[in-house]
Amino acid sequence: DSGVTQTPKHLITATGQRVTLRCSPRSGDLSVYWYQQSLDQGLQFLIQYYNGEERAKGNILERFSAQQFPDLHSELNLSSLELGDSALYFCASSKIAGDTDTQYFGPGTRLTVL
Amino acid sequence: QQQVKQSPQSLIVQKGGISIINCAYENTAFDYFPWYQQFPGKGPALLIAIRPDVSEKKEGRFTISFNKSAKQFSLHIMDSQPGDSATYFCAASPWQGGKLIFGQGTELSVKP
Repeated sequence: DSGVTQTPKHLITATGQRVTLRCSPRSGDLSVYWYQQSLDQGLQFLIQYYNGEERAKGNILERFSAQQFPDLHSELNLSSLELGDSALYFCASSKIAGDTDTQYFGPGTRLTVL
Repeated sequence: QQQVKQSPQSLIVQKGGISIINCAYENTAFDYFPWYQQFPGKGPALLIAIRPDVSEKKEGRFTISFNKSAKQFSLHIMDSQPGDSATYFCAASPWQGGKLIFGQGTELSVKP
């Protein structure tokens, strides 16, 4: 158990809908990262927050947004969902935002868009 | 330039054998190279990591070999066990940021 929690574990929804994925980082970790894992794209970095502020952005679609709250939990919002958004979404956390700090991954949320 | 290329895509090894997975990168700004292990239904878990100032790092049965001039690094799993059957991802991180750029993954199967 990495200490990173993600809810829900599974999510099934329809095209055009909006969903929110939640992540609670390990105790004491200030940085949160979101990754998407799909069969064709592999594991891709989406976005990183550090202590409430956006730190880095990757291949995140404009339909997706994220935020980190004062209690350090983070939410990833996915809107106008398409079939291609079906994937595993992982949250990771680390103590700082440094380039060599270990990222601990949560168990993921499996999103299925029908 | 941001890519990390990983091979092979899948690997079958007999119990007790050596598993070798290779990765190559192009961006010389990468400064941290971790390997993650992922079991079905679980998130990736850090296995071992290396910085480019050393050519080899060993932790138990797992060894990373790093060739800075060739921009390549590899994971060796000695005395492979059925419990090592999982998907392995190499990754790289630029010195100035925390994001991980992952390879495509290698599905390892260790046969008893």
